[in-house]
Amino acid sequence: GAVVSQHPSRVICKSGTSVKIECRSLDFQATTMFWYRQFPKQSLMLMATSNEGSKATYEQGVEKDKFLINHASLTLSTLTVTSAHPEDSSFYICSARKASGGAYNEQFFGPGTRLTVL
Amino acid sequence: GNSVTQMEGPVTLSEEAFLTINCTYTATGYPSLFWYVQYPGEGLQLLLKATKADDKGSNKGFEATYRKETTSFHLEKGSVQVSDSAVYFCALLSTNTGNQFYFGTGTSLTVIP
Repeated sequence: GAVVSQHPSRVICKSGTSVKIECRSLDFQATTMFWYRQFPKQSLMLMATSNEGSKATYEQGVEKDKFLINHASLTLSTLTVTSAHPEDSSFYICSARKASGGAYNEQFFGPGTRLTVL
Repeated sequence: GNSVTQMEGPVTLSEEAFLTINCTYTATGYPSLFWYVQYPGEGLQLLLKATKADDKGSNKGFEATYRKETTSFHLEKGSVQVSDSAVYFCALLSTNTGNQFYFGTGTSLTVIP
């Protein structure tokens, strides 16, 4: 159990277009989902925390108008990269925390989405 | 602040060799420490964890001990297999900062037959 999927796994788009990435918890409910960004040979950097039914909390330096996050249900969160530019090219990873929580609030990670902006 | 420093890779070992991947951390409060593994094309999977000083996490032959005095959480395995080839991430979870994870840069391990 505790599987998180992401779609698409890989996307290439033109500069100026918008791209939506979906994150789904397949076999559990997640009140909280997290979005990370990973540059080559660098750490995963937390971009934002989304709670079902409320606005996302963005980390310092992350533009909320550029990276739109929607957490409409307990199993789905979406990240939309608006007006994408080549510098937005990166590996985006989501994770989900079970609604039931746990002693250490384990997060379950998706496989990531490789975004390339031309 | 909170941060994790992880041994840079890539690491290439022969099958049955001993593995050590170093990880040190800085943190406020009393974090929990984790090792995650990412196999090609898959998401991060929890490998092992330790929630307090001197705890030893272990799983699938991997071990790591939470050393508060040296602020370290080094990953070890006595005899690696080809199937252990993956990227390994050290991470800390800080309850002082809203249960946020801080990750190391990841260490790529390749085990050759």
